[in-house]
Amino acid sequence: GNSVTQMEGPVTLSEEAFLTINCTYTATGYPSLFWYVQYPGEGLQLLLKATKADDKGSNKGFEATYRKETTSFHLEKGSVQVSDSAVYFCALSDSGGSNYKLTFGKGTLLTVNP
Amino acid sequence: ETGVTQSPTHLIKTRGQQVTLRCSSQSGHNTVSWYQQALGQGPQFIFQYYREEENGRGNFPPRFSGLQFPNYSSELNVNALELDDSALYLCASSFGLARNTGELFFGEGSRLTVL
Repeated sequence: GNSVTQMEGPVTLSEEAFLTINCTYTATGYPSLFWYVQYPGEGLQLLLKATKADDKGSNKGFEATYRKETTSFHLEKGSVQVSDSAVYFCALSDSGGSNYKLTFGKGTLLTVNP
Repeated sequence: ETGVTQSPTHLIKTRGQQVTLRCSSQSGHNTVSWYQQALGQGPQFIFQYYREEENGRGNFPPRFSGLQFPNYSSELNVNALELDDSALYLCASSFGLARNTGELFFGEGSRLTVL
């Protein structure tokens, strides 16, 4: 079945540091890939997405590129801020079937210190 | 625009009891999905409702059941509660099946503790 593996957290960085959160996946067919973010006390929000190989998703300074050859979708940001502290989830969608569901990784807690 | 709201936010039950969790979808959304998030884990798909019909189910036993109402709000029912059912239950809504947009709008969840 489908699965998503994220790097273990927690990740602690200083403000303006570079961020990478690794994500690899196993799936049949051609899934779409997503990063969701959960800020403290809030529900999950879609951060960015990519629907086909070599697509780059970007939002709020975050980027991730859909790499089919390495089955990866690593999240990066060049300069993190304290407000980026949250839990980040990598996810993929089923590419077939009549319903739609997301398969999530376990999440990575990011803490950014001033 | 009203977001996804869930109730109750927290509740405590004992083994063997039954629980009903409620979700109001975002305005204009006709699809609701439920996810279970155990501590330290990512959300796991329970089932999805589209236009009041179940439209897909994850690897959960039949004691997990649901409903969707004409106004697209939804309920998740769990019978014969077990300790392992302790988790955060997330409701997510979308318009249509959101196959490739990935734009699911999540509520803040209902945290269930089973003693």
